[in-house]
Amino acid sequence: DTEVTQTPKHLVMGMTNKKSLKCEQHMGHRAMYWYKQKAKKPPELMFVYSYEKLSINESVPSRFSPECPNSSLLNLHLHALQPEDSALYLCASSQNPAMQQETQYFGPGTRLLVL
Amino acid sequence: AQTVTQSQPEMSVQEAETVTLSCTYDTSESNYYLFWYKQPPSRQMILVIRQEAYKQQNATENRFSVNFQKAAKSFSLKISDSQLGDTAMYFCAFISPQGAQKLVFGQGTRLTINP
Repeated sequence: DTEVTQTPKHLVMGMTNKKSLKCEQHMGHRAMYWYKQKAKKPPELMFVYSYEKLSINESVPSRFSPECPNSSLLNLHLHALQPEDSALYLCASSQNPAMQQETQYFGPGTRLLVL
Repeated sequence: AQTVTQSQPEMSVQEAETVTLSCTYDTSESNYYLFWYKQPPSRQMILVIRQEAYKQQNATENRFSVNFQKAAKSFSLKISDSQLGDTAMYFCAFISPQGAQKLVFGQGTRLTINP
């Protein structure tokens, strides 16, 4: 089973709202990723968790707050977002954080619209 | 820094034809890994094929094969007997042990298979 699930599929929020995106995998992967993807563009890496610890933060604004409560779950907390944050947010996972060559498996994404 | 270039923003072919998507990359490293990912419209990004740089043999997966030219830093994807379901955005991606867990993506090629 090479499945990464994400909820919700769609999210509309105002600039003063607080919301969370959820990502789950049950493949035993120990690296998990958040990407942001604008239309017709490649994904841009935001955060990487290795063994449930934040290992990479690509200088993402603090209005995005990641959390990895356990090895299967990854959250992205959103607060005071801007309209330009509207995008597809992708979660991915890979088996072994120490093995960079391993395939990253992507979820279907959450399409976020900030009004 | 590593870069990945896909010089064909859009391509269109007839069903059953063979099509080749180009990808070049720039790196000073000798050990790295290359990927082709497929992202159908409004659907999940999935791995099509991967290549280890130390392997001279070109990777193949059913109708998908690559032409890996290490000296030329070229990694093209050939799709044989194209099908309507191959319509998607195709991303070439690169990762190296020195690049931590960061996948470097090209800008993508939008491929349309016409009936």
